[in-house]
Amino acid sequence: EAQVTQNPRYLITVTGKKLTVTCSQNMNHEYMSWYRQDPGLGLRQIYYSMNVEVTDKGDVPEGYKVSRKEKRNFPLILESPSPNQTSLYFCASSLSTGDGYTFGSGTRLTVV
Amino acid sequence: SQQGEEDPQALSIQEGENATMNCSYKTSINNLQWYRQNSGRGLVHLILIRSNEREKHSGRLRVTLDTSKKSSSLLITASRAADTASYFCATDLEAGTALIFGKGTTLSVSS
Repeated sequence: EAQVTQNPRYLITVTGKKLTVTCSQNMNHEYMSWYRQDPGLGLRQIYYSMNVEVTDKGDVPEGYKVSRKEKRNFPLILESPSPNQTSLYFCASSLSTGDGYTFGSGTRLTVV
Repeated sequence: SQQGEEDPQALSIQEGENATMNCSYKTSINNLQWYRQNSGRGLVHLILIRSNEREKHSGRLRVTLDTSKKSSSLLITASRAADTASYFCATDLEAGTALIFGKGTTLSVSS
């Protein structure tokens, strides 16, 4: 089944403890992206990648890192999480930038 | 910056009725897409309409695009309770590298 898999689905962590949210797609998509969704603010793009080893900042990149060493994986790294990073995170992929996105099921992160 | 804005923010209808949601945007686009999100879950791609298209259909969905007015509408005909969800428009900008999402319309269909 064609899908984007995110893990974990839920995560509660403490301020400052490094964490990684994994994202993997099995559709050979070139484009991958991370969004966060917050009430009243909608979906905002964090980082995106147009291909292996090519990543760039979205609208809200502060406090996040990404890497794209393989085409299928695009992990999101929070080196020192803070409470304002409490949010619902989505990974998405598409064949190219202008095509429809396939979204993962989301990761609900709480930083206390 | 908010590119797409959906209207209304919330819509409540009865099963069998039609639901219309609108989206306005500010700058030139390559295409406009509509997505559905069930509560707290991932977004699901519904339909993509390119800037040179005016209307597109997919099952009970009808999307129109008016580039002169920079607006789009999504019509869901004969709504069902299962259509209850949030609906988002997303624009692929001519000069962009990402889809920009609006804040969504929350549709509630009661039986």
